[in-house]
Amino acid sequence: DTGVSQDPRHKITKRGQNVTFRCDPISEHNRLYWYRQTLGQGPEFLTYFQNEAQLEKSRLLSDRFSAERPKGSFSTLEIQRTEQGDSAMYLCASSFSGANTEAFFGQGTRLTVV
Amino acid sequence: AQSVTQLGSHVSVSEGALVLLRCNYSSSVPPYLFWYVQYPNQGLQLLLKYTSAATLVKGINGFEAEFKKSETSFHLTKPSAHMSDAAEYFCAVSQSTGNQFYFGTGTSLTVIP
Repeated sequence: DTGVSQDPRHKITKRGQNVTFRCDPISEHNRLYWYRQTLGQGPEFLTYFQNEAQLEKSRLLSDRFSAERPKGSFSTLEIQRTEQGDSAMYLCASSFSGANTEAFFGQGTRLTVV
Repeated sequence: AQSVTQLGSHVSVSEGALVLLRCNYSSSVPPYLFWYVQYPNQGLQLLLKYTSAATLVKGINGFEAEFKKSETSFHLTKPSAHMSDAAEYFCAVSQSTGNQFYFGTGTSLTVIP
């Protein structure tokens, strides 16, 4: 297993367009997390899955953001009607369930909305 | 509620000097604490984590951190800085259920030759 992979690495889109990002976690991990990171800030939690169940989504930034993990493996994060303020790095991470288990991060998708 | 505070958004040290990056946590229960490093345009890589087995935790690349409950701190240190240590460092705390990680705002480390 080569770790958490995210695709694409970079995305430039026009304001108002929809974008979708993909995350492939470490295969043995049952938890998957999405974070947003803006310049000069730490990662900001968005949502997480345990297997295919989305157990926390109240931190999604608006109803334009949605995430899925249909078969408990890869996940997608979609942003509809993008705005310039959505420009950020979107990070995916995975882990085993339970306390004191570290999260392994992908390299992120950098979104630029023009 | 759980959170971490990283004092000093930018730290500069000379090559070979001691590195000290500060992290204080706020938690109503015993925390699970982590230090991550991030290189430009990369994801986060785990440096070390506090497991409650020992208060002094050794990590990768010569880094270590000491858990001090009385000070609610988990500062990161390295005896001798190397140029390759220049990066962004994040302290994080997780809930007892481990379903979220809360990150500090990060400390950017510059190593001066």
